[in-house]
Amino acid sequence: DIQMTQSPSSLSSSIGDRVTITCQASQDIKKYLNWYQQIPGKAPKLLIHDASTLETGVPSRFSGSGSGTDFTFTISSLQPEDLATYYCQQFDKLPFTFGPGTKVEIK
Amino acid sequence: QVQVVESGGGVVQPGRSLRLSCAASGFTFSTSAINWVRQAPGKGLEWVAVMSHDGINNYYADSVKGRFTMSRDNSKNTLYLQMNSLSAEDTAVYFCAKDRSLKRGYFYGMDVWGQGTTVTVSS
Repeated sequence: DIQMTQSPSSLSSSIGDRVTITCQASQDIKKYLNWYQQIPGKAPKLLIHDASTLETGVPSRFSGSGSGTDFTFTISSLQPEDLATYYCQQFDKLPFTFGPGTKVEIK
Repeated sequence: QVQVVESGGGVVQPGRSLRLSCAASGFTFSTSAINWVRQAPGKGLEWVAVMSHDGINNYYADSVKGRFTMSRDNSKNTLYLQMNSLSAEDTAVYFCAKDRSLKRGYFYGMDVWGQGTTVTVSS
């Protein structure tokens, strides 16, 4: 199975800050990576697919980049409603695997 | 409105069975692959299974293989997850999620999620 790691596991930033999360795959997954946001008590929501394509309706402050084994997720200007846990997920090979998540808190 | 709605969760004793349902609306269910993803209390997301649009291709996580079985009734826009031989490790919120793929035989991850149904395995 492909293992996914994320860092940091949690972070605390101020409104307006730039936030960056990294995701690493245990083998080359090309650009077959999704990013999800899970607000506490809610279902996950797809934000970015194919490593860098923003899902329709998702604010442009969210972005993704990377290919191969190393990926980055960025919130350009943190907003109060971005309080959530963010997960990367590979779909290069089954079984799909998720990263452990990064909990984003507001200072 | 594109949505999936899970039902069938509850409290069940170890070793018993439970069947979850996932009812879809707002999209062409018969051409959509569907996933199950679960989340144990306080834990991250774990992919459980995926079924192709026609029910022919099913794939399961090793943790549930041989115990869980997916099926679907495209005439009812509903998909099922039969869970047998349940153990405490299966306690989780179970999410049904439409796959993003538009290509038969390919799976690209989840773009429409339900709110989840809670399964608790306890004596």
